[in-house]
Amino acid sequence: AQSVTQLGSHVSVSEGALVLLRCNYSSSVPPYLFWYVQYPNQGLQLLLKYTSAATLVKGINGFEAEFKKSETSFHLTKPSAHMSDAAEYFCAVSDRGGATNKLIFGTGTLLAVQP
Amino acid sequence: GAGVSQSPRYKVAKRGQDVALRCDPISGHVSLFWYQQALGQGPEFLTYFQNEAQLDKSGLPSDRFFAERPEGSVSTLKIQRTQQEDSAVYLCASSLRGGGNTIYFGEGSWLTVV
Repeated sequence: AQSVTQLGSHVSVSEGALVLLRCNYSSSVPPYLFWYVQYPNQGLQLLLKYTSAATLVKGINGFEAEFKKSETSFHLTKPSAHMSDAAEYFCAVSDRGGATNKLIFGTGTLLAVQP
Repeated sequence: GAGVSQSPRYKVAKRGQDVALRCDPISGHVSLFWYQQALGQGPEFLTYFQNEAQLDKSGLPSDRFFAERPEGSVSTLKIQRTQQEDSAVYLCASSLRGGGNTIYFGEGSWLTVV
C-alpha cells in the first residue's frame, strides 16, 4: 500500500531563513505527489503537485519541491520564510493509474516562523 | 459556487445522536471525496464517488457511517449513533475525473460529540 512519511512534526525557522519540509513516499511505481497547506480552521490548499516528467515543481507562495526517484523523496523548500508561511503542511500521494485518485496523506508538519 | 461548500461548519452532537453533513462540490466535478481529520493528524480517506456511484468506501470506520450522492452532485455523510471518537473535522473534496487532477477541499465540518 502507498504511504508517505513526513519527518519532523514541528519545524521552526527564523523569518528570512530557508524552509525545508521533508517527505518520503513508499510506492512500487512513481506516484503522483502533492503538497497541501492548512491554515488554522481552514481547509487544505494545494501548494504544488508532481504529475509528469518535470522533477522540479514550482508552486504558489514561492514554494517548490523536487521529485527524486532514487531517494523516494519529494521535499518542500522555500528560500526565505515569511511570517505568513506559518501553517501545517501535508504531503500526499495518489496512485498513478488507480481506479480512484484518492490522496493518502502524511501526518503533517507544523511550521513556525520566528520573527 | 466557486469552491467546495460544506455545512454545517460546526456541529455539537450528544452521544448517540445521528448527524448529517452536507457537501456541495465544485460544479462539473465528477469525483467527490470525504476525509476525516482528527485533531493533530493528517486527513484520512473515508469514501469516494464518481458521479453518483460510490466506488470506494474502504475508509469508512464502521457501519454507522454512510455516504450518498444520489444525483451526482451534492453529497451527504451521515453518522448514526455518534460516539466520542467520531469527534473530528470532516473534509469534503472534489476534482475533475482522472489521476493527477487537483483535488479541491472545502473548509470542513467540525463535529464534536459530547
